[in-house]
Order: sequence, then C-alpha cells, then structure tokens
Amino acid sequence: AIQMTQSPSSLSASVGDRVTITCRASQDIRSDLGWYQQRPGKAPNLLIYAASNLHSGVPSRFSGSGSGTDFTLTISSLQPEDFATYYCLQDYSYPLTFGQGTKLEIK
Amino acid sequence: QLQLQESGPGLVKPSETLSLTCTVSGDSISSNTCYWNWIRQLPGKGLEWLGSIHYSGSTHFSPSLGSRVTISVDTSKNQFSLKVTSLTAADTAVYYCVRRYRVRQGVYHMDVWGRGTTVTVSS
Repeated sequence: AIQMTQSPSSLSASVGDRVTITCRASQDIRSDLGWYQQRPGKAPNLLIYAASNLHSGVPSRFSGSGSGTDFTLTISSLQPEDFATYYCLQDYSYPLTFGQGTKLEIK
Repeated sequence: QLQLQESGPGLVKPSETLSLTCTVSGDSISSNTCYWNWIRQLPGKGLEWLGSIHYSGSTHFSPSLGSRVTISVDTSKNQFSLKVTSLTAADTAVYYCVRRYRVRQGVYHMDVWGRGTTVTVSS
C-alpha cells in the first residue's frame, strides 16, 4: 500500500497567517491527491481534488499544489473557521490511503 | 442534493458481526461515475479507508481488515452495506459512508459524506 506522510502533525497559527501543510507519498501518485478538512465532531469536507483543483464552494484562500510524491495545501490567510484537522488522501491506487492528519490550532 | 445516511447498531458485542447500511437519497446509486465507500475513524485517530463498491458489484477492500470486511449494494433500495465480522474493541470507531465521484477520466474525489455513526464494541 502507498504510505502518505503528512507534516507537521500539528501547527499553531494566528488568524491572518499563511500556513502550508505538506504530504509526501511513498511512490509516484501523479496528481491523484485530495485534501480534506475535518472540524471536531463532524464528517470531513472535500477542499481540493486532483492536487490543485478547488472543490465547488470552497473559499479561494485554500490552494493545493504538487505532483508525483510531494504535495502542499496552503491557506493564504487563516480565518477562525479554518482551525481544524486536515488530511490528504491518495486515490491513485487501491487501497486508498490517508495521511495521518495535521491539527491546526489557534496560537 | 445527494445525501448519505448511515444506520445500524451503536453497540455490538465482541466476536459478533457489525452490519451498517448507507441510504443514498437525492440521486441514484446506479450511476456509472460513482463508487460507494466506507471509511472509519478510531477514537482520537485519523481516517481509515475500508473499502468501496460500484453499483455493478465491483469491490475493493483494504488489506488491513483482511477477509473480515464485505460490502454489498442493493440498487432496488438505493443502499449499500458494510459487514465486519469477528469484532474486537479495536473496531470501535465512527463509520462514514462516502461517495467517490469520477469527475472526469482518471480524476476522482470524495465529495459527499454521511454524518457518521458511532459503533462501540463492548460486552
């Protein structure tokens, strides 16, 4: 199975900050990567698919980049509602695998 | 608008079988561009993909649960189901049903999630 390694595992930041989360795949997954946001007690929500495509209705402050093995999720200016846990997911091949998550906390 | 709703027991005994159903509303489960998935989240942990099914019956499973997992689809009821056998406390989790949609050839995303159902394995 493809291993997905996210970093950092946790991150403290302030409203208005620019933050970047990275995800590394154990092998080439082309651009077959999505990013998901999960708020406490809620189901995850799709943010980005195919590495850099913003899902409908997602604010433009979210962006994704990368291909092959290295990917990034960037939030350009943190808003209060962005403090949550973020997961990457590779859907290049079965079994689909998630990164371990990055918890974004308020500084 | 497509919605997914999980249903099933909240408490199951060790060694028993968990059966969960996901009811799809707002669209047909028999879409060639949709794959229906189960994902779980252990308490305080990350997300774990369990498996998926297409309305045609084609399935894929995570090797982590081995042969303990089966997924089936009932197109007449617009539902798909998960069974996990030989339960232990380690299977205690929130279970989500999720649609994986083919946006275009070779491009997919998981865009619709159920609210999740909490399953506790305990005697």
